[in-house]
Amino acid sequence: GQQVMQIPQYQHVQEGEDFTTYCNSSTTLSNIQWYKQRPGGHPVFLIQLVKSGEVKKQKRLTFQFGEAKKNSSLHITATQTTDVGTYFCNAGKSTFGDGTTLTVKP
Amino acid sequence: EAGVVQSPRYKIIEKKQPVAFWCNPISGHNTLYWYLQNLGQGPELLIRYENEEAVDDSQLPKDRFSAERLKGVDSTLKIQPAELGDSAVYLCASSASGEKNIQYFGAGTRLSVL
Repeated sequence: GQQVMQIPQYQHVQEGEDFTTYCNSSTTLSNIQWYKQRPGGHPVFLIQLVKSGEVKKQKRLTFQFGEAKKNSSLHITATQTTDVGTYFCNAGKSTFGDGTTLTVKP
Repeated sequence: EAGVVQSPRYKIIEKKQPVAFWCNPISGHNTLYWYLQNLGQGPELLIRYENEEAVDDSQLPKDRFSAERLKGVDSTLKIQPAELGDSAVYLCASSASGEKNIQYFGAGTRLSVL
């Protein structure tokens, strides 16, 4: 079935550094959603991307959907301790990647 | 507006015992999902309901797992008998018919099978 790979699995950064996580699919996706799960919490919807090459921004977060609609990325500029958590992509049909866990050192 | 409500939050049982989880989705959300999440992994879909109909239960281990959503609102997920490997967090989510790809998750039930 449809699967997505997320890299890296873990990322440790110093506060203020940038962070990027990637979501890759072997098949063309209709859309993709990103979720954030804080430690001990539940996934919370962040954004949905639908169009080829789409870029959306939420404050320090930038989301991109690849031109071929087979990959997506989430970039955080100048990380803060509040960004700590695991970021998941969902490639539709409830297919979640295994996430990238971000830790931020103050 | 209340979010997705799940109970219990935690459950500890011995292997071979039955266990049940309950979920009340956001009011008006037609689609309801049950997921299993192991530590360090993403949610894995067990079953998806559209109203009261189970439209995707291909990943549900039907020999021991069952689910129901009788009136198309709240739902129950049951395991009987539980095995050690069933220890995980069970998440319920719901989505509205106009925004099917946007899922709202409950806090989950953390199951420990001893």
